[in-house]
Amino acid sequence: DAKTTQPNSMESNEEEPVHLPCNHSTISGTDYIHWYRQLPSQGPEYVIHGLTSNVNNRMASLAIAEDRKSSTLILHRATLRDAAVYYCILYNFGNEKLTFGTGTRLTIIP
Amino acid sequence: EPEVTQTPSHQVTQMGQEVILRCVPISNHLYFYWYRQILGQKVEFLVSFYNNEISEKSEIFDDQFSVERPDGSNFTLKIRSTKLEDSAMYFCASSEDRGLFEQFFGPGTRLTVL
Repeated sequence: DAKTTQPNSMESNEEEPVHLPCNHSTISGTDYIHWYRQLPSQGPEYVIHGLTSNVNNRMASLAIAEDRKSSTLILHRATLRDAAVYYCILYNFGNEKLTFGTGTRLTIIP
Repeated sequence: EPEVTQTPSHQVTQMGQEVILRCVPISNHLYFYWYRQILGQKVEFLVSFYNNEISEKSEIFDDQFSVERPDGSNFTLKIRSTKLEDSAMYFCASSEDRGLFEQFFGPGTRLTVL
């Protein structure tokens, strides 16, 4: 499985934007970039995914570098509820499983 | 909004006992999964299930583990003879299809083996 690299932890102030980076220099042309998050004591939760173009949904935005070797998950206005571990996962069509790394633990400061 | 449910939320068992963890996936989903997370560690894939058979399994999913969809709604994970190292959170997930479709996770069952 292609590997992703994320910072272990990040902090952000409440109501400010948060940019969570992910490096995936060995990404293949058919790998999609998926983001999941895991709130404390809960199961993982899908956030967003993309292939080449930037993507927006109600939860977040995903900015993908032109060479696709990195991406950034953007939370536009962080709330205390966004405190979680965020996982960047490369996912291929036809793949069965999600391969979770250690993710980035996001702390929101009130 | 439809959700994946799991029972029980916490299961305590003695080493060597059999346990069955239960999940109700989202009703129109076709793919089902079990993952586990040992305390403080990564979420790990165990098995995927489609069309009433195992589609893929990890090295963790040895002969002590089995999965079943006994009726149209439940999806179960059985551990035949539990070991101390089976203590973990077990998450069930389901998806409409495989590949690009998001996986919806349940809240998990915490298994404690004494």
